[in-house]
Amino acid sequence: AQKVTQAQTEISVVEKEDVTLDCVYETRDTTYYLFWYKQPPSGELVFLIRRNSFDEQNEISGRYSWNFQKSTSSFNFTITASQVVDSAVYFCALSEVRISNFGNEKLTFGTGTRLTIIP
Amino acid sequence: DARVTQTPRHKVTEMGQEVTMRCQPILGHNTVFWYRQTMMQGLELLAYFRNRAPLDDSGMPKDRFSAEMPDATLATLKIQPSEPRDSAVYFCASGTAGDGNGEQFFGPGTRLTVL
Repeated sequence: AQKVTQAQTEISVVEKEDVTLDCVYETRDTTYYLFWYKQPPSGELVFLIRRNSFDEQNEISGRYSWNFQKSTSSFNFTITASQVVDSAVYFCALSEVRISNFGNEKLTFGTGTRLTIIP
Repeated sequence: DARVTQTPRHKVTEMGQEVTMRCQPILGHNTVFWYRQTMMQGLELLAYFRNRAPLDDSGMPKDRFSAEMPDATLATLKIQPSEPRDSAVYFCASGTAGDGNGEQFFGPGTRLTVL
């Protein structure tokens, strides 16, 4: 069975500080996808990133960066120079990969981390 | 800008009533998911379809919930009879299997309140 753990329930930081959201996962699959989604106060789920299990390169997109470490089963998310607009609930998620279909199976979500950026 | 649409956006109903939620996936997507979000359980999968055929509905209470795809442009989730514990936000998502992408595009959700 797959499991995603986001141990940080809530985090508050002052604007412009850096913040890292932790994600630890469990799976028996050797091939899988990892995701991060953002849920702002409006309620929609916004896709941020997808990572294949065989690609451990870290990724940077503007102020966002992701650190994938297979050895520790972690996929952490860092926001640099945080802004008030970053305030949201962030979800880490995991899905299996079926080679026959190569993508798009059900997501197993973590419980989310509520991030508040204080002006 | 292609989006997943869901109707209604909000629904308040009384216990015992039938509730039907609808989802229009992005045109061309062959995989449709139904997720439910509650404070207690978080985000959990109810069911999903590929090419309109159900792949997994193990997360769905079978006695009262049913999910269907009458055609490729419409997915429905029905609760009959509804109960207060069904109060939640129900999200539909769609994506494409086989493109190696794996991204799921979520709709805005249907907020259901059962009194």
